Amino acid sequence: EAQVTQNPRYLITVTGKKLTVTCSQNMNHEYMSWYRQDPGLGLRQIYYSMNVEVTDKGDVPEGYKVSRKEKRNFPLILESPSPNQTSLYFCASSFARDRTYNEQFFGPGTRLTVL
Amino acid sequence: QKEVEQNSGPLSVPEGAIASLNCTYSDRGSQSFFWYRQYSGKSPELIMFIYSNGDKEDGRFTAQLNKASQYVSLLIRDSQPSDSATYLCAVVYTGGFKTIFGAGTRLFVKA
Repeated sequence: EAQVTQNPRYLITVTGKKLTVTCSQNMNHEYMSWYRQDPGLGLRQIYYSMNVEVTDKGDVPEGYKVSRKEKRNFPLILESPSPNQTSLYFCASSFARDRTYNEQFFGPGTRLTVL
Repeated sequence: QKEVEQNSGPLSVPEGAIASLNCTYSDRGSQSFFWYRQYSGKSPELIMFIYSNGDKEDGRFTAQLNKASQYVSLLIRDSQPSDSATYLCAVVYTGGFKTIFGAGTRLFVKA
């Protein structure tokens, strides 16, 4: 089954404790992206990657890191989480061959709470 | 700062009516336009995409794009209670895959 998976689905942590949220896709997509979703603000792009070893900042990259060492995986790293990073996080992927169309397929989401 | 604006709603329509959802964007360099539907507690799923001026129809859904007015809309004909969800407008910008989403419009279809 074609899908984007994220782990963990739910995470409660404390301020300053490094964490990683994993994202994996099995559709051979070049493009992957991370979003956070907060009430009233919609989805905001954190980072995206056009291909292996190619990443770029979205609108809200502060406090986050990413890496793209393999095509299928795109982990999101919070080196020192803070309470304002409490949010619902989505990973998404799509083909990138045609720049006029990139339907993004979303993972199930990770609900993160930082105390 | 690139922006995508949507009326947050909620928009309430009776079953069988036409629901009209609107979106405006600020950057004329915008390239592709998407409508996603998101049910409560679920991830977004694509409804339609459009990148040329005019209308595009798919079943009960019609997307309309007017680049001169920087406006994109989604019409849902014969609205059903199952259409009740939040509808997200997304804009992809020329030169890359940076994607800006609107905050979404909540739609309620009353049976």
